[in-house]
Amino acid sequence: KAGVTQTPRYLIKTRGQQVTLSCSPISGHRSVSWYQQTPGQGLQFLFEYFSETQRNKGNFPGRFSGRQFSNSRSEMNVSTLELGDSALYLCASSLQGAYNEQFFGPGTRLTVL
Amino acid sequence: AQSVTQLDSHVSVSEGTPVLLRCNYSSSYSPSLFWYVQHPNKGLQLLLKYTSAATLVKGINGFEAEFKKSETSFHLTKPSAHMSDAAEYFCVVSAYGSSNTGKLIFGQGTTLQVKP
Repeated sequence: KAGVTQTPRYLIKTRGQQVTLSCSPISGHRSVSWYQQTPGQGLQFLFEYFSETQRNKGNFPGRFSGRQFSNSRSEMNVSTLELGDSALYLCASSLQGAYNEQFFGPGTRLTVL
Repeated sequence: AQSVTQLDSHVSVSEGTPVLLRCNYSSSYSPSLFWYVQHPNKGLQLLLKYTSAATLVKGINGFEAEFKKSETSFHLTKPSAHMSDAAEYFCVVSAYGSSNTGKLIFGQGTTLQVKP
């Protein structure tokens, strides 16, 4: 069974631009969660989608948004990029989300200049 | 609220010696606990999970962890370290409640260095 895939793997953007990251979960998994990983803050939860609905959201500004499609693929969008948005963005999929182990993709490394 | 504390930010061992990575958790409910490993420039890989079954949990690559409720600990061990074990290790708790679905709470991570 194929694992979680994320595209692109690397992105370089400038301040003020917007970016869209994509995540394809493991086949049959309906929950997709997104995390931001930085050296200073560690791994922080962004949001979770299940059956095209956002069920949970972390403490991030509204510039961070996402969506999920009927095939469970998910996208994350960051608008008006700031230098502090430079991070590794990880998505994870699980069967149901609650208390299930999550399987992570390789991440998208976003650099904001 | 749930939280995890990894007691060591960096652990160094020699190849062939035991590994101990310490983790304490805080939870008002019976927690679901995990250990994940992250190799450089890679995503996170699940090593093992505890979900209220056996307190001694065996994972991949010879790792195991013991859930101790009285000590609120979930330490990760391995009898003999390999060079390939060098990585960042995260102790993780699953957030509880219907409003917290899909949320994992991560410790700050422990960097394991394995010396030849």
